[in-house]
Amino acid sequence: GQNIDQPTEMTATEGAIVQINCTYQTSGFNGLFWYQQHAGEAPTFLSYNVLDGLEEKGRFSSFLSRSKGYSYLLLKELQMKDSASYLCVLNDYKLSFGAGTTVTVRA
Amino acid sequence: GAGVSQSPRYKVTKRGQDVALRCDPISGHVSLYWYRQALGQGPEFLTYFNYEAQQDKSGLPNDRFSAERPEGSISTLTIQRTEQRDSAMYRCASSSLTGELFFGEGSRLTVL
Repeated sequence: GQNIDQPTEMTATEGAIVQINCTYQTSGFNGLFWYQQHAGEAPTFLSYNVLDGLEEKGRFSSFLSRSKGYSYLLLKELQMKDSASYLCVLNDYKLSFGAGTTVTVRA
Repeated sequence: GAGVSQSPRYKVTKRGQDVALRCDPISGHVSLYWYRQALGQGPEFLTYFNYEAQQDKSGLPNDRFSAERPEGSISTLTIQRTEQRDSAMYRCASSSLTGELFFGEGSRLTVL
Protein backbone atom coordinates (compact mmCIF):
# COMPACT_ATOMS: atom_id res chain seq x y z
CA GLY A 1 0.00 0.00 0.00
CA GLN A 2 0.90 3.63 0.07
CA ASN A 3 2.79 5.28 2.93
CA ILE A 4 0.73 8.24 4.04
CA ASP A 5 1.84 10.13 7.11
CA GLN A 6 -0.05 12.82 8.95
CA PRO A 7 0.06 13.95 12.59
CA THR A 8 -2.20 12.12 14.97
CA GLU A 9 -3.56 15.11 16.84
CA MET A 10 -3.57 18.89 16.77
CA THR A 11 -5.15 21.43 19.09
CA ALA A 12 -5.93 25.04 18.28
CA THR A 13 -7.97 27.95 19.57
CA GLU A 14 -11.21 29.19 18.08
CA GLY A 15 -10.47 31.82 15.44
CA ALA A 16 -6.93 30.61 14.85
CA ILE A 17 -5.33 28.90 11.86
CA VAL A 18 -4.18 25.31 11.74
CA GLN A 19 -2.14 23.56 9.06
CA ILE A 20 -2.32 19.80 8.74
CA ASN A 21 0.57 18.28 6.84
CA CYS A 22 0.49 15.06 4.87
CA THR A 23 3.49 13.33 3.35
CA TYR A 24 3.28 10.29 1.16
CA GLN A 25 5.29 7.83 -0.86
CA THR A 26 3.68 6.49 -3.98
CA SER A 27 4.56 5.36 -7.47
CA GLY A 28 1.74 7.32 -9.01
CA PHE A 29 -1.60 8.90 -8.30
CA ASN A 30 -4.16 11.09 -10.00
CA GLY A 31 -4.68 13.59 -7.24
CA LEU A 32 -5.01 14.06 -3.51
CA PHE A 33 -8.19 14.49 -1.50
CA TRP A 34 -8.85 15.83 1.95
CA TYR A 35 -11.85 14.50 3.82
CA GLN A 36 -13.40 15.59 7.11
CA GLN A 37 -14.87 13.07 9.50
CA HIS A 38 -16.78 13.96 12.63
CA ALA A 39 -16.88 11.35 15.37
CA GLY A 40 -19.34 8.61 14.55
CA GLU A 41 -20.08 9.94 11.08
CA ALA A 42 -19.04 9.14 7.54
CA PRO A 43 -16.16 11.04 5.91
CA THR A 44 -17.18 14.00 3.77
CA PHE A 45 -15.32 15.63 0.90
CA LEU A 46 -13.38 18.83 1.53
CA SER A 47 -10.96 19.36 -1.34
CA TYR A 48 -9.16 17.79 -4.27
CA ASN A 49 -5.79 18.74 -5.74
CA VAL A 50 -4.69 17.42 -9.10
CA LEU A 51 -2.06 19.97 -10.02
CA ASP A 52 0.64 21.42 -7.80
CA GLY A 53 -0.38 24.54 -5.98
CA LEU A 54 -3.00 25.94 -3.72
CA GLU A 55 -6.74 25.34 -3.97
CA GLU A 56 -8.84 27.69 -1.89
CA LYS A 57 -12.41 27.07 -0.85
CA GLY A 58 -13.73 29.45 1.75
CA ARG A 59 -12.03 28.92 5.10
CA PHE A 60 -10.28 25.80 3.85
CA SER A 61 -7.31 25.64 1.50
CA SER A 62 -5.30 22.68 0.30
CA PHE A 63 -1.86 22.57 -1.22
CA LEU A 64 -0.04 19.91 -3.19
CA SER A 65 3.57 19.48 -4.23
CA ARG A 66 4.09 16.29 -6.19
CA SER A 67 7.84 16.71 -6.38
CA LYS A 68 8.07 16.90 -2.61
CA GLY A 69 5.46 14.24 -1.87
CA TYR A 70 3.67 16.71 0.32
CA SER A 71 0.27 18.22 0.87
CA TYR A 72 -1.32 20.35 3.53
CA LEU A 73 -4.79 21.39 4.55
CA LEU A 74 -5.12 24.88 5.98
CA LEU A 75 -8.08 25.69 8.19
CA LYS A 76 -8.63 29.39 8.84
CA GLU A 77 -10.87 31.20 11.33
CA LEU A 78 -11.37 27.99 13.24
CA GLN A 79 -14.81 27.29 14.62
CA MET A 80 -15.83 24.79 17.26
CA LYS A 81 -17.59 22.73 14.61
CA ASP A 82 -14.25 22.19 12.87
CA SER A 83 -13.29 19.75 15.63
CA ALA A 84 -13.03 16.53 13.65
CA SER A 85 -10.63 14.10 12.05
CA TYR A 86 -9.06 15.20 8.75
CA LEU A 87 -8.05 12.48 6.35
CA CYS A 88 -5.44 12.75 3.62
CA VAL A 89 -6.41 10.50 0.69
CA LEU A 90 -4.38 9.54 -2.36
CA ASN A 91 -6.41 9.10 -5.52
CA ASP A 92 -4.64 6.00 -6.66
CA TYR A 93 -6.97 3.42 -8.18
CA LYS A 94 -8.18 2.30 -4.77
CA LEU A 95 -8.20 5.64 -2.89
CA SER A 96 -5.77 5.13 -0.02
CA PHE A 97 -6.49 6.88 3.27
CA GLY A 98 -4.14 8.17 5.88
CA ALA A 99 -4.91 7.46 9.52
CA GLY A 100 -6.31 10.94 10.02
CA THR A 101 -5.46 13.96 12.14
CA THR A 102 -7.79 14.72 15.01
CA VAL A 103 -8.19 18.46 15.38
CA THR A 104 -9.58 19.81 18.62
CA VAL A 105 -10.73 23.41 18.64
CA ARG A 106 -10.79 25.03 22.07
CA ALA A 107 -12.74 28.15 23.04
CA GLY B 1 -30.88 6.82 -4.69
CA ALA B 2 -29.98 10.25 -3.38
CA GLY B 3 -27.13 8.96 -1.26
CA VAL B 4 -25.22 5.79 -0.52
CA SER B 5 -27.34 3.48 1.58
CA GLN B 6 -25.97 0.68 3.71
CA SER B 7 -27.77 -2.02 5.61
CA PRO B 8 -27.94 -3.17 8.26
CA ARG B 9 -26.70 -0.17 10.21
CA TYR B 10 -25.91 -2.40 13.14
CA LYS B 11 -25.32 -6.13 13.20
CA VAL B 12 -24.55 -8.24 16.24
CA THR B 13 -23.72 -11.84 15.54
CA LYS B 14 -22.17 -14.82 17.21
CA ARG B 15 -18.76 -16.07 16.30
CA GLY B 16 -18.91 -18.58 13.46
CA GLN B 17 -22.00 -17.11 11.81
CA ASP B 18 -22.00 -15.66 8.29
CA VAL B 19 -23.00 -12.06 7.73
CA ALA B 20 -23.92 -10.13 4.60
CA LEU B 21 -23.61 -6.37 4.42
CA ARG B 22 -25.37 -4.51 1.67
CA CYS B 23 -24.50 -1.31 -0.13
CA ASP B 24 -26.76 0.61 -2.51
CA PRO B 25 -24.64 3.28 -4.24
CA ILE B 26 -25.66 6.58 -5.74
CA SER B 27 -27.47 5.93 -8.97
CA GLY B 28 -25.16 6.06 -11.96
CA HIS B 29 -21.93 5.84 -10.01
CA VAL B 30 -19.53 3.54 -11.75
CA SER B 31 -17.15 2.76 -8.92
CA LEU B 32 -18.00 1.20 -5.60
CA TYR B 33 -15.58 0.73 -2.73
CA TRP B 34 -15.62 -1.20 0.51
CA TYR B 35 -13.57 -0.04 3.46
CA ARG B 36 -13.22 -1.13 7.06
CA GLN B 37 -12.61 1.43 9.74
CA ALA B 38 -11.37 0.83 13.25
CA LEU B 39 -11.89 3.43 15.95
CA GLY B 40 -9.40 6.26 15.62
CA GLN B 41 -8.10 5.07 12.27
CA GLY B 42 -8.70 6.04 8.68
CA PRO B 43 -10.70 3.77 6.41
CA GLU B 44 -8.77 0.68 5.32
CA PHE B 45 -9.31 -0.41 1.72
CA LEU B 46 -10.92 -3.81 1.21
CA THR B 47 -12.04 -4.03 -2.40
CA TYR B 48 -13.54 -2.05 -5.24
CA PHE B 49 -15.65 -2.47 -8.36
CA ASN B 50 -16.06 -0.69 -11.63
CA TYR B 51 -19.55 -1.59 -12.80
CA GLU B 52 -19.91 -5.29 -11.99
CA ALA B 53 -16.22 -6.10 -12.30
CA GLN B 54 -14.19 -6.49 -9.15
CA GLN B 55 -11.03 -4.58 -9.94
CA ASP B 56 -9.03 -5.20 -6.82
CA LYS B 57 -9.62 -7.38 -3.80
CA SER B 58 -6.15 -7.16 -2.35
CA GLY B 59 -7.44 -5.52 0.83
CA LEU B 60 -9.70 -8.38 1.81
CA PRO B 61 -8.09 -9.83 4.97
CA ASN B 62 -8.55 -13.51 4.11
CA ASP B 63 -10.73 -15.85 2.11
CA ARG B 64 -13.62 -15.59 4.57
CA PHE B 65 -14.30 -12.20 3.03
CA SER B 66 -15.89 -11.84 -0.38
CA ALA B 67 -17.79 -9.19 -2.27
CA GLU B 68 -19.96 -9.05 -5.34
CA ARG B 69 -21.79 -6.51 -7.44
CA PRO B 70 -23.60 -8.69 -9.97
CA GLU B 71 -25.58 -6.04 -11.84
CA GLY B 72 -23.20 -3.14 -11.41
CA SER B 73 -25.31 -1.43 -8.78
CA ILE B 74 -25.97 -2.95 -5.34
CA SER B 75 -23.03 -4.70 -3.72
CA THR B 76 -22.82 -7.25 -0.95
CA LEU B 77 -19.86 -7.86 1.32
CA THR B 78 -20.02 -11.30 2.88
CA ILE B 79 -18.03 -12.50 5.85
CA GLN B 80 -18.14 -16.21 6.50
CA ARG B 81 -17.48 -17.87 9.84
CA THR B 82 -17.13 -14.54 11.58
CA GLU B 83 -14.49 -14.01 14.24
CA GLN B 84 -14.28 -11.42 16.98
CA ARG B 85 -11.47 -9.61 15.15
CA ASP B 86 -13.92 -8.93 12.31
CA SER B 87 -15.79 -6.47 14.56
CA ALA B 88 -15.52 -3.03 12.96
CA MET B 89 -17.36 -0.37 11.02
CA TYR B 90 -17.69 -1.41 7.39
CA ARG B 91 -18.07 1.51 5.05
CA CYS B 92 -19.18 1.57 1.46
CA ALA B 93 -18.55 4.46 -0.89
CA SER B 94 -19.32 5.18 -4.50
CA SER B 95 -17.77 7.62 -6.88
CA SER B 96 -18.46 9.28 -10.18
CA LEU B 97 -15.81 9.77 -12.83
CA THR B 98 -14.29 12.66 -10.89
CA GLY B 99 -13.19 10.26 -8.20
CA GLU B 100 -14.87 12.07 -5.31
CA LEU B 101 -16.09 9.48 -2.85
CA PHE B 102 -19.51 9.57 -1.28
CA PHE B 103 -19.79 7.42 1.80
CA GLY B 104 -22.70 5.61 3.31
CA GLU B 105 -23.37 5.71 7.03
CA GLY B 106 -21.66 2.38 7.52
CA SER B 107 -22.55 -0.98 9.00
CA ARG B 108 -21.31 -1.55 12.53
CA LEU B 109 -20.52 -5.23 12.96
CA THR B 110 -20.06 -6.73 16.40
CA VAL B 111 -19.04 -10.37 16.68
CA LEU B 112 -19.57 -11.87 20.10
